[in-house]
Amino acid sequence: QVQLVESGGGVVQPGRSLRLSCAASGFTFSSYAMHWVRQAPGKGLEWVAVISYDGSNQYYADSVKVRFTISRDNSESTLYLQMNSLRAEDTAVYYCARGYCSMTSCYPAEYFLHWGQGTLVTVSS
Amino acid sequence: QSVLTQPPSASETPGQRVTISCSGSSSNIGSNTVNWYQQLPGTAPKLLIYNINKRPSGVPDRFSGSKSGTSASLAISGLQSEDEADYYCAAWDDSLNGYVFGTGTKVTVL
Repeated sequence: QVQLVESGGGVVQPGRSLRLSCAASGFTFSSYAMHWVRQAPGKGLEWVAVISYDGSNQYYADSVKVRFTISRDNSESTLYLQMNSLRAEDTAVYYCARGYCSMTSCYPAEYFLHWGQGTLVTVSS
Repeated sequence: QSVLTQPPSASETPGQRVTISCSGSSSNIGSNTVNWYQQLPGTAPKLLIYNINKRPSGVPDRFSGSKSGTSASLAISGLQSEDEADYYCAAWDDSLNGYVFGTGTKVTVL
């Protein structure tokens, strides 16, 4: 069955960096776009970024653009989120999610059937 | 802040029907499919409805979705205690080139 396991969360000081990983199994990782979605404590869901099946295209939420980088290693079936210049408002549970789509032309029909359990990132001095 | 607006809360007694609205714009709901997610406390979101009105395997037919113009709705009929959760609408936004979630609605079974 499909499994997505996030790791790399923790407590980090403002302005520092952190890299999250999402290990995928149970499906052909290289065939699907992958997303990061976050949820601040007591708040709603916020989409963060998407990367196409082959890593050639990435889109980001305005709130993280320039500071965060999504990437993937299809040979290792792993998704990454490099987070730089972290701010207190980046504190959240970060989920990776497998998309229905593989490439950008399909994104208007995108949805997430599979989610990881999430990893908590706390930005605090 | 979210570009899809939902009522913060909804409540009804067991067995009744509750409807949640989701208001967007021409760049998201108006031109793309709508999805709904259910989130129980302390758990990851779960896909409830995709492509406006389709249910993934295992989702009861008590849950149904619809769309009209730039708005969408989720209806839960025969409300049960286990339906107490947060519900989010979502869609791709062509102007933002990103996926957007609604503000979320907390459903309470009285």
